[in-house]
Amino acid sequence: DVKVTQSSRYLVKRTGEKVFLECVQDMDHENMFWYRQDPGLGLRLIYFSYDVKMKEKGDIPEGYSVSREKKERFSLILESASTNQTSMYLCASSALGVGYEKLFFGSGTQLSVL
Amino acid sequence: SQQGEEDPQALSIQEGENATMNCSYKTSINNLQWYRQNSGRGLVHLILIRSNEREKHSGRLRVTLDTSKKSSSLLITASRAADTASYFCATDETTDSWGKLQFGAGTQVVVTP
Repeated sequence: DVKVTQSSRYLVKRTGEKVFLECVQDMDHENMFWYRQDPGLGLRLIYFSYDVKMKEKGDIPEGYSVSREKKERFSLILESASTNQTSMYLCASSALGVGYEKLFFGSGTQLSVL
Repeated sequence: SQQGEEDPQALSIQEGENATMNCSYKTSINNLQWYRQNSGRGLVHLILIRSNEREKHSGRLRVTLDTSKKSSSLLITASRAADTASYFCATDETTDSWGKLQFGAGTQVVVTP
């Protein structure tokens, strides 16, 4: 069974802390994505990666960075957490090519920044 | 930027009834997908329809796509309490999308026994 695993279900951090959100997929997918989800706004793309060590900005990259050192792992980094980054963070992966476009999502990390 | 917009924002129906929700989008697309999200969890893919298709079925789900109107609809027939969830449409844009999807804000569906 395909799986995308996010390291934490709930996380509470303080303003100014550096925060790491980890995501691992076991499907050998090329593409990996980080979205944040806020009520009434749906999912917004933060960053995505289509290969190891490759990354592209999404719609709202400010305040975030990412790392993809291995194909199966995609990390989201909040360099200095702020209260407006309190949100649900969703990681997803997909294979490359026509016929493989659907995303597989992790269960999400609910981050609270106090 | 948000591509899809779902309508209605919320829907409350009884078991056995049909649920219909709509999605409008702004630019040309490769495909349009529908996802379901149970409360506080990740999204699960339901169905994908390509830009050259007009209708697609999967079990109790029926999806239509009208590219001239830039709109899609999702119909869930004979709804069950287990269908209670939020439903999102997502579009894969035509140029340089690298498989990334733009999601709408979702329709929250409540099915009461």
